[in-house]
Amino acid sequence: KNEVEQSPQNLTAQEGEFITINCSYSVGISALHWLQQHPGGGIVSLFMLSSGKKKHGRLIATINIQEKHSSLHITASHPRDSAVYICAVRSFQGAQKLVFGQGTRLTINP
Amino acid sequence: NAGVMQNPRHLVRRRGQEARLRCSPMKGHSHVYWYRQLPEEGLKFMVYLQKENIIDESGMPKERFSAEFPKEGPSILRIQQVVRGDSAAYFCASSAGVPHNEQFFGPGTRLTVL
Repeated sequence: KNEVEQSPQNLTAQEGEFITINCSYSVGISALHWLQQHPGGGIVSLFMLSSGKKKHGRLIATINIQEKHSSLHITASHPRDSAVYICAVRSFQGAQKLVFGQGTRLTINP
Repeated sequence: NAGVMQNPRHLVRRRGQEARLRCSPMKGHSHVYWYRQLPEEGLKFMVYLQKENIIDESGMPKERFSAEFPKEGPSILRIQQVVRGDSAAYFCASSAGVPHNEQFFGPGTRLTVL
């Protein structure tokens, strides 16, 4: 079993829909990252969380440390949000390295 | 303030050749991480370096792969005698270190081994 599991693996939605991507992890962590990877392949860091909730524009990330679970929400989704979204954790034992989920491929149709 | 720079962006090598991938961290960052993304797979940690030191190389293959981050100049990931299975995207990330330690990613180098 992977240390970091994401669901769903693939998600297709219509423009304007509210999107939720989930991430569960099995180790104690010092931080959790949400990353975005576009078809061109570059990776952009969206959020780094250790507790609570963060919001940036139409993106919201939450984390529940007790339940070892995080969610990434996108409000009023747009075709340009189409990308792979990756959850990554930095464990206490793993020092600084990140352990990644397999990613969620999101497609927003106009 | 330039972000993390990687070059080349695309690299083609024949089996048996050497591949050298370079990473220049963001200004002010002294921590560098290398990650590999095999085709249709997730990202995997390879190595973590600070200036002149390898801190964690637990993800590096035991043979043919090496990494350095000299006092001056970029970090280098070196793959000797490449094989087709080395074809992947190699990403570098950098951070300023504790306590914040958010990692910022470069655009990646796509290595193709013929």
